[in-house]
Amino acid sequence: DAGITQSPRYKITETGRQVTLMCHQTWSHSYMFWYRQDLGHGLRLIYYSAAADITDKGEVPDGYVVSRSKTENFPLTLESATRSQTSVYFCASSPQSGISTDTQYFGPGTRLTVL
Amino acid sequence: DQQVKQNSPSLSVQEGRISILNCDYTNSMFDYFLWYKKYPAEGPTFLISISSIKDKNEDGRFTVFLNKSAKHLSLHIVPSQPGDSAVYFCAAMWSNTGKLIFGQGTTLQVKP
Repeated sequence: DAGITQSPRYKITETGRQVTLMCHQTWSHSYMFWYRQDLGHGLRLIYYSAAADITDKGEVPDGYVVSRSKTENFPLTLESATRSQTSVYFCASSPQSGISTDTQYFGPGTRLTVL
Repeated sequence: DQQVKQNSPSLSVQEGRISILNCDYTNSMFDYFLWYKKYPAEGPTFLISISSIKDKNEDGRFTVFLNKSAKHLSLHIVPSQPGDSAVYFCAAMWSNTGKLIFGQGTTLQVKP
């Protein structure tokens, strides 16, 4: 399917386990982003990537790892999940930064629960 | 410290009336401001934006106003429709990074 997809849509895991959330986009957008949405905080940027093999931290990167070996994929890994990482995670992509203000296109989200 | 704030968690209006959603920011270096709309179990979708050099942008029923001296922007929806019921996020951007800073969101309910 064209667009941006996330998998899984729902995940329950236990404290201390490693979890990887997948994000795939078919537009060949340069930029990709990971956000978490929590009540009272809106969406907070975890990591972003300007191109394959280029990643950078956002507002709340602690406890997360990202990689981007291919333009279309941007997986997010929780190396040792904690309860505070229970959240809804959104992936987004953008054709470019700068003057393109139609900006980011979001996936449907992954609801992660850490027990 | 939150750089983009939406101080009203919720808003309820009657169908056909005007909805006004507000947003405040602290960093005067933001280049663009955007509004996103989010339905339950879906990702946010882009609604409308405004450059920091403008004070108004209109798109159909949606108008965004920017008051730079007050570091305040607002989204007006006229007339409001039940399908507009959603969570609205205000966001600010530095254009050289493409990064968005979001507010907490305001839940709009439009009653038939």
